[in-house]
Amino acid sequence: KQEVTQIPAALSVPEGENLVLNCSFTDSAIYNLQWFRQDPGKGLTSLLLIQSSQREQTSGRLNASLDKSSGRSTLYIAASQPGDSATYLCASDSGGSNYKLTFGKGTLLTVNP
Amino acid sequence: DTGVSQNPRHKITKRGQNVTFRCDPISEHNRLYWYRQTLGQGPEFLTYFQNEAQLEKSRLLSDRFSAERPKGSFSTLEIQRTEQGDSAMYLCASSLSRLAGSPQYFGPGTRLTVL
Repeated sequence: KQEVTQIPAALSVPEGENLVLNCSFTDSAIYNLQWFRQDPGKGLTSLLLIQSSQREQTSGRLNASLDKSSGRSTLYIAASQPGDSATYLCASDSGGSNYKLTFGKGTLLTVNP
Repeated sequence: DTGVSQNPRHKITKRGQNVTFRCDPISEHNRLYWYRQTLGQGPEFLTYFQNEAQLEKSRLLSDRFSAERPKGSFSTLEIQRTEQGDSAMYLCASSLSRLAGSPQYFGPGTRLTVL
């Protein structure tokens, strides 16, 4: 059974700082790992998806990396802004099934002006 | 592309009542998923459809829960005889059925409160 852990649970940084969010997973037999953003009381917004054959994906100020062999992924946010404040969730499929996502509990990010 | 939509956005009900939620996926997506999220936790998988076929149901989906996706379009999730423990955010997502590289896109969720 896949287990996904996110560290830290919460992070507070001043505006402009670069930061890294961490995600680890126990079952390396994955097809995809996906990073999401969730604002309070809202649904999930897909940020980046990394296929198991890829090492990283970039979108604007976001860069996600994947090390499948060690069961780790990181989300790097450059030049953070107050609008980046949200909960960031990572999720992966596992066990050869490419449909059922297992989520971590998320990292609550606060970017202070 | 209008995204995934869910209705209602909020539902307050009394214990023992039945409730039904609706999800409209992105039009060309043949996979549809339901997840449940409680406060401070990540979403948990409930069930998924490929076209109109329900292919997997989680152990979390008790006999009081039923989901349908007639004609492979919209989906409904019904909870019968609601309990206070059913209070949660119910999230719907959709995707294409490629083996890899097909993100799941989520709707805004339906927040259920059982009094």
